[in-house]
Amino acid sequence: EAEVAQSPRYKITEKSQAVAFWCDPISGHATLYWYRQILGQGPELLVQFQDESVVDDSQLPKDRFSAERLKGVDSTLKIQPAELGDSAMYLCASSSDGTEETQYFGPGTRLLVL
Amino acid sequence: GENVEQHPSTLSVQEGDSAVIKCTYSDSASNYFPWYKQELGKRPQLIIDIRSNVGEKKDQRIAVTLNKTAKHFSLHITETQPEDSAVYFCAVVSGGSYIPTFGRGTSLIVHP
Repeated sequence: EAEVAQSPRYKITEKSQAVAFWCDPISGHATLYWYRQILGQGPELLVQFQDESVVDDSQLPKDRFSAERLKGVDSTLKIQPAELGDSAMYLCASSSDGTEETQYFGPGTRLLVL
Repeated sequence: GENVEQHPSTLSVQEGDSAVIKCTYSDSASNYFPWYKQELGKRPQLIIDIRSNVGEKKDQRIAVTLNKTAKHFSLHITETQPEDSAVYFCAVVSGGSYIPTFGRGTSLIVHP
């Protein structure tokens, strides 16, 4: 069964450093989502792509976060500089297209900022 | 934007009992309502979903009901088992935007 892949699974960094997370969606899935999940809360959408275009990034802190999906396949989420409050699980999800809302989640990247 | 409230935040039941988790939403244009189960340290996994043109959907021990007028939907788990213990999230997707909003989650504990 195809799955969403993410790397790294864990990342420890110091504040003010740069970090990057990678996501490879299920093959053929046009829609890709990045979420942040703080412990004890539900996932919060950061950015949504349809192919290589950003559909929504209204919740993305653009002063320090950036996301790209250059070829409409895999995606990278970057934080620069990292802050203590960025410690969380970063989840990637994909769905087949904009009309098929079922999302499949990756295993996530757990970020700890010291 | 969409506002999703999920209750209760914690639910403790005995094995074999039923469990019900409820979510309310604010945007009447919302048309897709999935439920996810997240075990400790694992990814959220879709367990059941319902669309706005359906009032109820059932899959073995799990069912979801939707009341569009009142803007709430509920997850029902019957004959609970210890392996049902997890955090359950509801989500709401607005028609047209396909932007999902998640509830804060319910921690279900099933005691053997």
